[in-house]
Amino acid sequence: SQQGEEDPQALSIQEGENATMNCSYKTSINNLQWYRQNSGRGLVHLILIRSNEREKHSGRLRVTLDTSKKSSSLLITASRAADTASYFCAPKAGNTPLVFGKGTRLSVIA
Amino acid sequence: GAVVSQHPSWVICKSGTSVKIECRSLDFQATTMFWYRQFPKQSLMLMATSNEGSKATYEQGVEKDKFLINHASLTLSTLTVTSAHPEDSSFYICSAYPTSTDTQYFGPGTRLTVL
Repeated sequence: SQQGEEDPQALSIQEGENATMNCSYKTSINNLQWYRQNSGRGLVHLILIRSNEREKHSGRLRVTLDTSKKSSSLLITASRAADTASYFCAPKAGNTPLVFGKGTRLSVIA
Repeated sequence: GAVVSQHPSWVICKSGTSVKIECRSLDFQATTMFWYRQFPKQSLMLMATSNEGSKATYEQGVEKDKFLINHASLTLSTLTVTSAHPEDSSFYICSAYPTSTDTQYFGPGTRLTVL
């Protein structure tokens, strides 16, 4: 299993602004998944992007994947206070379980 | 998306006792489930892979005799923390894949506090 490394570790923005988080990984993957974790809760699956995809949208979320650079980004547009959470990326290869880095702690200030 | 539940959501126990945590896949079958542990302000750490009908696979540094895993059916895995100590206090989260999907779904977690 390999873990992704999220950057920045912490991000604070005003409500309505866009938030961008980045993820880097080291070896080839089948897909990459993004998750959100509110404090004291489990992980909520946000989006999965496959290795042959470059961009994917889901509501206010936009995910990109650059396999040549081994990196991904998660963009949250028009952020809301409810988006305050930790965000994790999880690169996946084969049938190995997901492992997680430290995540990005996003604070959206109303 | 698929739903994974955990029970209990929180538990407080005395040092030396054992605690069982259940993980259920509610609307799908899972031959494999995963158990993670998360300490405050830290990331999730994979503890073990639970395999239906066979022994669990533990990550390096995780004591298999302390963290007993049983995956007796395609919808239920249990984690028993034996002879719990205060340092075992943590947030335990399970996860599973529906068959033929790549998405890993997580339970809501169980907060264990050992006094």
